[in-house]
Amino acid sequence: DAEITQSPRHKITETGRQVTLACHQTWNHNNMFWYRQDLGHGLRLIHYSYGVQDTNKGEVSDGYSVSRSNTEDLPLTLESAASSQTSVYFCASSEGTGVTGELFFGEGSRLTVL
Amino acid sequence: AQSVTQPDIHITVSEGASLELRCNYSYGATPYLFWYVQSPGQGLQLLLKYFSGDTLVQGIKGFEAEFKRSQSSFNLRKPSVHWSDAAEYFCARLEYGNKLVFGAGTILRVKS
Repeated sequence: DAEITQSPRHKITETGRQVTLACHQTWNHNNMFWYRQDLGHGLRLIHYSYGVQDTNKGEVSDGYSVSRSNTEDLPLTLESAASSQTSVYFCASSEGTGVTGELFFGEGSRLTVL
Repeated sequence: AQSVTQPDIHITVSEGASLELRCNYSYGATPYLFWYVQSPGQGLQLLLKYFSGDTLVQGIKGFEAEFKRSQSSFNLRKPSVHWSDAAEYFCARLEYGNKLVFGAGTILRVKS
């Protein structure tokens, strides 16, 4: 079955370190998204991509970057981790044609920045 | 900017009782609305969605939601809650570009 996987599922790092969270989907979806989930805020969009070589900033993009070199992967990089980036991160994907809106989510990556 | 509001952070219901989770959206053209559920330690799963047509939509796991334009609401309902329904529920609205804007979520606790 097609799926979307995130790694690592849990990560503890120190302030100032670079961290990369991986996201891999096998649905061949054009659209991929990164959200962070924080209590009281729901899910907020960090970055998104509509296809290879396309990336866009979301609502809370400061301190994060993404790259899209193929259809399957959208890694999220924290260039210099900060304690405010302690969160649970979700990757999601959706079909690229028409208004479907249904996002398929990974199981999340819990990041702790000390 | 378009927004989604879930007024209740926590709700506790008894097993077997009915459930209604509230969701309000900011004014705009006919919205595309969704309800997702998140079980502990899991990703989000789509329960149901509303694009147009019949304002009462049926979803998985016995859930339904009713779109009311006059109240800018899209409340989620279930006639009889099961202990396995304990989870966090998110209402969401589709923005231009297939991006979802989520509400803050409502945590449902089910007591036996």
